[in-house]
Amino acid sequence: GAVVSQHPSRVICKSGTSVKIECRSLDFQATTMFWYRQFPKQSLMLMATSNEGSKATYEQGVEKDKFLINHASLTLSTLTVTSAHPEDSSFYICSAIPIRGVGSSPLHFGNGTRLTVT
Amino acid sequence: LAKTTQPISMDSYEGQEVNITCSHNNIATNDYITWYQQFPSQGPRFIIQGYKTKVTNEVASLFIPADRKSSTLSLPRVSLSDTAVYYCLVGVNSGGYQKVTFGIGTKLQVIP
Repeated sequence: GAVVSQHPSRVICKSGTSVKIECRSLDFQATTMFWYRQFPKQSLMLMATSNEGSKATYEQGVEKDKFLINHASLTLSTLTVTSAHPEDSSFYICSAIPIRGVGSSPLHFGNGTRLTVT
Repeated sequence: LAKTTQPISMDSYEGQEVNITCSHNNIATNDYITWYQQFPSQGPRFIIQGYKTKVTNEVASLFIPADRKSSTLSLPRVSLSDTAVYYCLVGVNSGGYQKVTFGIGTKLQVIP
């Protein structure tokens, strides 16, 4: 259980275009999802917290107009990289926490999206 | 947010037990300790989570001392497929959410 699906797994786009990445919780509902970016040989860096039905909360230094986040339902959050540039090339990962009445709620991660901007 | 400190890298031979220790001196009362495994170009995978004492599942054990300022992930009899980066996270707590910050992780290299 607790599967998070991320799509696409790999995308190549031209500089100046926009790319949408989807994050779905397949067998649970999540009011909160997180988006991370990971550069080669580095750790995951939290970009933003996606809240169902409200605006996302962005970490310092992350441009909200460039990385648009929409969390329209309890099972889907999308990250759109607008006007992508080569420096946006990275590995993007989402995670979600199941809604539970009791007990701990570990994060469950998608398998990531490798974005290459040419 | 509780900051974590782990060794940057570790080497181990196949079949040995590996223990990775994480320090989290400012852990909060409600915080759980969670360990994740990440292979290249994949998302982190949940390994084990605990609050205090010892937790064991089919892949690992987690030892947490009484003061909870550190924790040790124990991988029994590692194989080559256990070569990965292991992250210790503190801050995912019960009943709600708390954004977590990933540390650098421990890169485990299993040697034949």
